[in-house]
Amino acid sequence: EVQLLESGGGLVQPGGSLRLSCAASGFTFSSYAMTWVRQAPGKGLEWVSAISGSGGVTYYPDSVKGRFTISRDNSKNTLYLQMNSLRAADTAVYYCAKFPTYVATANKYFQHWGQGTLVTVSS
Amino acid sequence: DIVMTQSPATLSVSPGERATLSCRASQSISSALAWYQQKPGQGPRLLIYDASTRATDIPGRFSGSGSGTEFTLTISSLQSEDFAVYYCQQYNNWPTFGQGTKVEIK
Repeated sequence: EVQLLESGGGLVQPGGSLRLSCAASGFTFSSYAMTWVRQAPGKGLEWVSAISGSGGVTYYPDSVKGRFTISRDNSKNTLYLQMNSLRAADTAVYYCAKFPTYVATANKYFQHWGQGTLVTVSS
Repeated sequence: DIVMTQSPATLSVSPGERATLSCRASQSISSALAWYQQKPGQGPRLLIYDASTRATDIPGRFSGSGSGTEFTLTISSLQSEDFAVYYCQQYNNWPTFGQGTKVEIK
């Protein structure tokens, strides 16, 4: 059974940094691209980053480019999201999710999702 | 960005009835559309991909149709566990999601 367990959320001040982790199990982690998607309180879903199975290629929307960095450690079956220069608008539940493919440029839908971790940016 | 618009925002349906949810893309996305179900406190669950292909272990009462800019998710006979929020997502370009349709008990 595929399991994705996010951690690392919490309260951070504007301008601060936070690193999220996602521990994966139940599948060959290095064979699949992975992604982070966020959901602001009471709002819809927003894609925020993607990474290939090897970790060699990453993708970001303009809203987080230059501030967020996605990475992975395939030896630890763990996905990361480093978030810098955080803003109030970054407040959301952050989900990690699994692509159906090794590359992140094809079939960009998400087969499995974690339960999410809440990030609150506030002074 | 491709804008996804879902309607209605809320759908009130009695158990056993059919529910029809709509999703419109701001430009053609061919069949690059997925549907997800989300319940409170949970991550989304993939229901449909490629507009009409059911994901693994998804019951046959869920079906998807459409191509281009107009898409539909149909739940043929609503069960108690189907009351949730449903999102469509395009992946013709980088992913964007609709704002969701809440299916509630009538």
